[in-house]
Amino acid sequence: EIVLTQSPTTIAASPGEKVTITCRASSSVSYMYWYQQKPGASPKPWIYDTSKLASGVPNRFSGSGSGTSYSLTINTMETEDAATYYCQQWSSTPLTFGSGTKLEIK
Amino acid sequence: EVQLVESGGGLVQPGRSLKLSCAASGFTFSNYGMHWIRQAPTKGLEWVASISPSGGSTYYRDSVKGRFTISRDNAKSTLYLQMDSLRSEDTATYYCATGAYGFDYWGQGVMVTVSS
Repeated sequence: EIVLTQSPTTIAASPGEKVTITCRASSSVSYMYWYQQKPGASPKPWIYDTSKLASGVPNRFSGSGSGTSYSLTINTMETEDAATYYCQQWSSTPLTFGSGTKLEIK
Repeated sequence: EVQLVESGGGLVQPGRSLKLSCAASGFTFSNYGMHWIRQAPTKGLEWVASISPSGGSTYYRDSVKGRFTISRDNAKSTLYLQMDSLRSEDTATYYCATGAYGFDYWGQGVMVTVSS
């Protein structure tokens, strides 16, 4: 099973600040996927194929990485970005998710 | 518009069974793999099972293998999850999901509580 380790677990950022969330895989994966979830809501697709933004995702978000190291970056934090972000791999079953990074507004 | 609507959740005693359904619309159901993903209260996301577009291939996480069965009825555009021998650790919100690039579409989720 490919274990995905996200860091940090929780982060607080001020509006306008740059934020980076990392996701490390226990084995190499081809692509990384990211989802955003707000309290009481279903997860939303956010980034697919490592660096492609899902429909409606603001271009202040970006994704990058390869092999075992991936990241999601917010260029300038906005209040609406407060949420939990999960990384996920499709390279092998069982499909696995990271444990999530809770992003809060400072 | 793609819609996935789960139903069938509820409170069930340990060891009993429950069957979840996911009614799909807005896309050609028979062309897409379908998935169940769960989230225990205050916890993260956990993949449960997947099924190929034709239903000929199924995949499960180890903790549900032999207890859960994923199936689909392409004529009815409906996905199912038969859950037998339920345990307290199966308590979660269950989402059905699909997509061409990861889990592009999610249902609203249905709560399953396993408790005596």
